[in-house]
Amino acid sequence: GAGVSQSPRYKVAKRGQDVALRCDPISGHVSLFWYQQALGQGPEFLTYFQNEAQLDKSGLPSDRFFAERPEGSVSTLKIQRTQQEDSAVYLCASSLRQYNEQFFGPGTRLTVL
Amino acid sequence: DAKTTQPTSMDCAEGRAANLPCNHSTISGNEYVYWYRQIHSQGPQYIIHGLKNNETNEMASLIITEDRKSSTLILPHATLRDTAVYYCIVRIRVDSDMRFGAGTRLTVKP
Repeated sequence: GAGVSQSPRYKVAKRGQDVALRCDPISGHVSLFWYQQALGQGPEFLTYFQNEAQLDKSGLPSDRFFAERPEGSVSTLKIQRTQQEDSAVYLCASSLRQYNEQFFGPGTRLTVL
Repeated sequence: DAKTTQPTSMDCAEGRAANLPCNHSTISGNEYVYWYRQIHSQGPQYIIHGLKNNETNEMASLIITEDRKSSTLILPHATLRDTAVYYCIVRIRVDSDMRFGAGTRLTVKP
């Protein structure tokens, strides 16, 4: 079956622009996670949804980062007024329940110039 | 969650077993050991997890020491496609997120 998909795969933004990154989780998966991965490092947790409820956003680095999952399926990570330090790969993962293994998408590589 | 320590990099000959160690000396009784791997330009891929018993699946085996302070992921017959970064993660099963470290970069050589 289809896995987790993310779009766009690559995004180049000028500093100060707003960006929106999309995640389509596996159908029926209740839990959805966003991670940020800087070059050469492991993924770092950003935020977690259970259905449409955002239960943990402790990893969001600033109030410029905002995530939503209004209907409990597709999720969008929005970054306002992008800065160069936001350049990273943004990974989305979903799982059937919060304690099951997570299935990751291919990520969106964001480059802020 | 307990912290994990892994070697930065390892090499393995194609066809041989790859043994990837992980130290997690502060692990608590309700924490699981998870292994994921990340092939270049892809998202992490689940491999295996365990609590205290050794586990085996079609991809790998997980050996956890009796005191649970360390574990070893074994790829029995490494292929070139197993070249990846391997992450050992300790996680309370009901936790929502996972804390990745830097992982071990495994290079399988012909």
